Amino acid sequence: QKEVEQNSGPLSVPEGAIASLNCTYSDRGSQSFFWYRQYSGKSPELIMSIYSNGDKEDGRFTAQLNKASQYVSLLIRDSQPSDSATYLCAVINEETSYDKVIFGPGTSLSVIP
Amino acid sequence: GAVVSQHPSWVICKSGTSVKIECRSLDFQATTMFWYRQFPKQSLMLMATSNEGSKATYEQGVEKDKFLINHASLTLSTLTVTSAHPEDSSFYICSALDRGLSYEQYFGPGTRLTVT
Repeated sequence: QKEVEQNSGPLSVPEGAIASLNCTYSDRGSQSFFWYRQYSGKSPELIMSIYSNGDKEDGRFTAQLNKASQYVSLLIRDSQPSDSATYLCAVINEETSYDKVIFGPGTSLSVIP
Repeated sequence: GAVVSQHPSWVICKSGTSVKIECRSLDFQATTMFWYRQFPKQSLMLMATSNEGSKATYEQGVEKDKFLINHASLTLSTLTVTSAHPEDSSFYICSALDRGLSYEQYFGPGTRLTVT
């Protein structure tokens, strides 16, 4: 079983819609969760971090964490063509990982004008 | 967010030569730096983890004698690709974190290596 799983996509949504990106992880002891955005040919950039169960909102982005279900998601409201990118979910168990964050394979998002 | 720089942004070298890539954390002290490689349309692949003043920890399948990593200070790590071959052509990306603050990783802009 892979440690962090994401649907590879591509996920296509029309402009203005809500894009929902999902991620599951296998290490129940994980404490910190991150979402990164990577444009084609560029390096990843951190867009959200979440540590507690529930929702965390930042502008058009909402991260949702459910540790019991080992599930973390990212919602993008009012999707824009500029949101078209690959979104990487990342997870860390600080007690066992020696600083190494585990990345999922990424979900490709395409926002259609 | 924190800023990580990488130099050079792109490099072309001949087969058999060595190439050094620098990664610097500009506004924070990086307890840990990571080196990744990414081939077109593929996922990030972690190559190694380095902590300041200690030897890097390489992922399985990554040749430590070919990819030399030095983390000489809390703001600088270098990756040297020795005796480069065309199959080493890739996008190399470093990242850094300060575990005293959080486990948020900040990525450099990447270095595109082409070996001819």
